[in-house]
Amino acid sequence: DAGVIQSPRHEVTEMGQEVTLRCKPISGHNSLFWYRQTMMRGLELLIYFNNNVPIDDSGMPEDRFSAKMPNASFSTLKIQPSEPRDSAVYFCASSSAGSYYEQYFGPGTRLTVT
Amino acid sequence: KQEVTQIPAALSVPEGENLVLNCSFTDSAIYNLQWFRQDPGKGLTSLLLIQSSQREQTSGRLNASLDKSSGRSTLYIAASQPGDSATYLCAVSSPYNTDKLIFGTGTRLQVFP
Repeated sequence: DAGVIQSPRHEVTEMGQEVTLRCKPISGHNSLFWYRQTMMRGLELLIYFNNNVPIDDSGMPEDRFSAKMPNASFSTLKIQPSEPRDSAVYFCASSSAGSYYEQYFGPGTRLTVT
Repeated sequence: KQEVTQIPAALSVPEGENLVLNCSFTDSAIYNLQWFRQDPGKGLTSLLLIQSSQREQTSGRLNASLDKSSGRSTLYIAASQPGDSATYLCAVSSPYNTDKLIFGTGTRLQVFP
């Protein structure tokens, strides 16, 4: 399996622009997670889906952030409008009940908002 | 509310040493515990997963133990190598929410030749 795939790997954008991050989970996994990592705050869970349904979005910082999972093999995290404080590394992870919910992470997207 | 603590925050050791990384959690009612490794600028790599009914798991030079009653887990690395240098994170999940992981802040390990 190719593992969790994220794109783009790096994104540089100007404040106010819309940013869309993409994730393809491991085939067969039914849970998908979006995390954000910064030096100041460490690793934060933003939102997670189970069977394509959002279960917990309490970590989404503001209404500027939204996430969708239209099918079992694709998810997006959108920031609109972006702000410099959104600069971070965003990780996607997936898991399945069949593997005791062991989470597998993607390589991350490094976002820089100028 | 579950809280996960890792001590020490940073560790620097010479190559060849056996070492122990510690993870503590406040609520002993866990579903599983997972140890991860993160290299600089990279994602997290799952090292070991211990189910709540297990006491330890081993993979190569790594051995993770779990003592639920005391709220502790240790990751033992035998014969450390410079390639082991990374940040190690532990995370626990709850039996009431098996999907969601609560992460510790990590131990940054440096193994020098």
